Amino acid sequence: SQKIEQNSEALNIQEGKTATLTCNYTNYSPAYLQWYRQDPGRGPVFLLLIRENEKEKRKERLKVTFDTTLKQSLFHITASQPADSATYLCAPYNQGGKLIFGQGTELSVKP
Amino acid sequence: GAGVSQSPSNKVTEKGKDVELRCDPISGHTALYWYRQRLGQGLEFLIYFQGNSAPDKSGLPSDRFSAERTGESVSTLTIQRTQQEDSAVYLCASSLAEETGELFFGEGSRLTVL
Repeated sequence: SQKIEQNSEALNIQEGKTATLTCNYTNYSPAYLQWYRQDPGRGPVFLLLIRENEKEKRKERLKVTFDTTLKQSLFHITASQPADSATYLCAPYNQGGKLIFGQGTELSVKP
Repeated sequence: GAGVSQSPSNKVTEKGKDVELRCDPISGHTALYWYRQRLGQGLEFLIYFQGNSAPDKSGLPSDRFSAERTGESVSTLTIQRTQQEDSAVYLCASSLAEETGELFFGEGSRLTVL
């Protein structure tokens, strides 16, 4: 069955450092990999997606990579800020399929 | 509306009662999802509607759970004979982009079963 794994332990980093979050998937060949942010008590918010033929995608301080051979996506936040503290969710996707999320990784950025 | 709207935002009910949760998706969005999120846990897929196709109900945990959608509009998630284990936040999301699938979420309905 399809499986999505994200770092189960919370990630604690210092302000200004780069945060790197991992999303691994098995029994999937997604055409897209989506990333969302969820704050406590709120619904998730879409951040960005990367296509299978893209190695890397950037949006402001965010960078996402997609390695279809390793079946892995990495999500980087550079120059992290306390306001980046949240839970980050990944979701592999194919057109016509349903969207299933990983368990999420909680990021805490300390000043 | 500007975003996905869910109601009620909070619902407290007694074990054994039925509850209905409502979702108003973004106008024109053809896809609509329901997820369940227990405290401190991830999003658990429940059901997916896409246009006029038959819904994907593969995530519904038991026959006490059902959902309907009127065309490409409002959806209602019904939980019959609620149990304490049904306590969770129920999130609705809609999508216009069938190819890339990115979702817009509501703020959720928090259900507490006493």
